[in-house]
Amino acid sequence: NAGVTQTPKFRILKIGQSMTLQCAQDMNHNYMYWYRQDPGMGLKLIYYSVGAGITDKGEVPNGYNVSRSTTEDFPLRLELAAPSQTSVYFCASSYTDWVRDEQYFGPGTRLTVT
Amino acid sequence: KQEVTQIPAALSVPEGENLVLNCSFTDSAIYNLQWFRQDPGKGLTSLLLIQSSQREQTSGRLNASLDKSSGRSTLYIAASQPGDSATYLCAVTTDKLIFGTGTRLQVFP
Repeated sequence: NAGVTQTPKFRILKIGQSMTLQCAQDMNHNYMYWYRQDPGMGLKLIYYSVGAGITDKGEVPNGYNVSRSTTEDFPLRLELAAPSQTSVYFCASSYTDWVRDEQYFGPGTRLTVT
Repeated sequence: KQEVTQIPAALSVPEGENLVLNCSFTDSAIYNLQWFRQDPGKGLTSLLLIQSSQREQTSGRLNASLDKSSGRSTLYIAASQPGDSATYLCAVTTDKLIFGTGTRLQVFP
């Protein structure tokens, strides 16, 4: 199994540009998550999904959108990039919910908005 | 509001030492607590998950304890090795996972 994969690894965006961060998992996990990690800070939940077609907001959803059309994929979209979105983005997945099951993380996407 | 704090923020020790990393949280109403390892430029790897009804979990040289009533968890690393150098994060589970800011550990030969 490849586990959780993320693309791209690095990206530089100009203010106002848009992009989609890709995330895929091959473990048949129902739950998927997007986090951001700012320098010297813990991870904060952006959005999560409990299954195909179902998504919900996390702690810091503003400026982002998600969709979940398949069990495997959970892309994160930035519509109008702002410097405040400079961060490292992690995708994660788990078979059941976060209360009962550990999460598996991807390697991250380092995004810089200038 | 749940807050998770990890002390110290950074730690540098010689190889072979036994060491303790601390994690504290403000609200004892948690479902579980997890310890993660994060290597530079990489994602997080789950090390140990302690359910709220448990007191400790062990995996190899790692032992994590949980005292829910006092809002504390410790990660004990026995006989540290240079390969243990990484950032260690703890996270508590409420209606979501809430992470601490991590302890950056360096073990030198």
